[in-house]
Amino acid sequence: DIVMTQSPDSLSVSLGERATINCKSSQSVLYNSNNRNYLAWFQQKPGQPPKVLIYWASTRESGVPDRFSGSGSGTDFTLTISSLQAEDVAVYYCQQYYSIPLTFGQGTRLEIK
Amino acid sequence: QVQLQESGPGLVKPSQTLSLTCTVSGGSISSGSDYWSWIRQPAGKGLEWIGRIHTSGTTHYNPSLKSRVTISADTSKNQFSLKLNSVTAADTAVYYCARGTPMVDFAYWGQGTPVTVSS
Repeated sequence: DIVMTQSPDSLSVSLGERATINCKSSQSVLYNSNNRNYLAWFQQKPGQPPKVLIYWASTRESGVPDRFSGSGSGTDFTLTISSLQAEDVAVYYCQQYYSIPLTFGQGTRLEIK
Repeated sequence: QVQLQESGPGLVKPSQTLSLTCTVSGGSISSGSDYWSWIRQPAGKGLEWIGRIHTSGTTHYNPSLKSRVTISADTSKNQFSLKLNSVTAADTAVYYCARGTPMVDFAYWGQGTPVTVSS
């Protein structure tokens, strides 16, 4: 199984400031045949299902604000929120879809400082 | 817009079988090249993928649950289902169904249904 490890477990950021969440996979999730990283980021607010923000490591899902961006390749990835808004308070998960079983990181709780 | 809705008993006794159904509207589970998955989340904890079924009928399961899980589809009702047998308290969770596209496995989610395993 590919183990996904996020850091930090929780994060407190002031409104308008940058938030950065890291995700490391235990093996590469880059498919050399198409040069795509099979890594997605999800946002989950209390009482709601997760919502996809980013797929293929850096492609923003339609309708997701452009303050959300994803970067990285291979085994190391980052989700950045460029200017934190109040509505961004949530738990964020990375997930690999390179191989079965599909696996998630443990989650990072983002709060307002 | 595709919508998914989970349904099934909210309480299951230990050692019995948990059975849930996901009803899909706004799209067909038998068209395209999509995967239809089940994921669960114990209260206050993270997400665990249970398994999925492809539009072709091919299934994949999490090895940690494979011996107890069956996912099937009823295309006439546009539904897919989860059966998890020999349940214990550790299977208590919110269960989600989700649709995957060729770009990402969990593009669309149901609202989730809580299941408690207790006598």
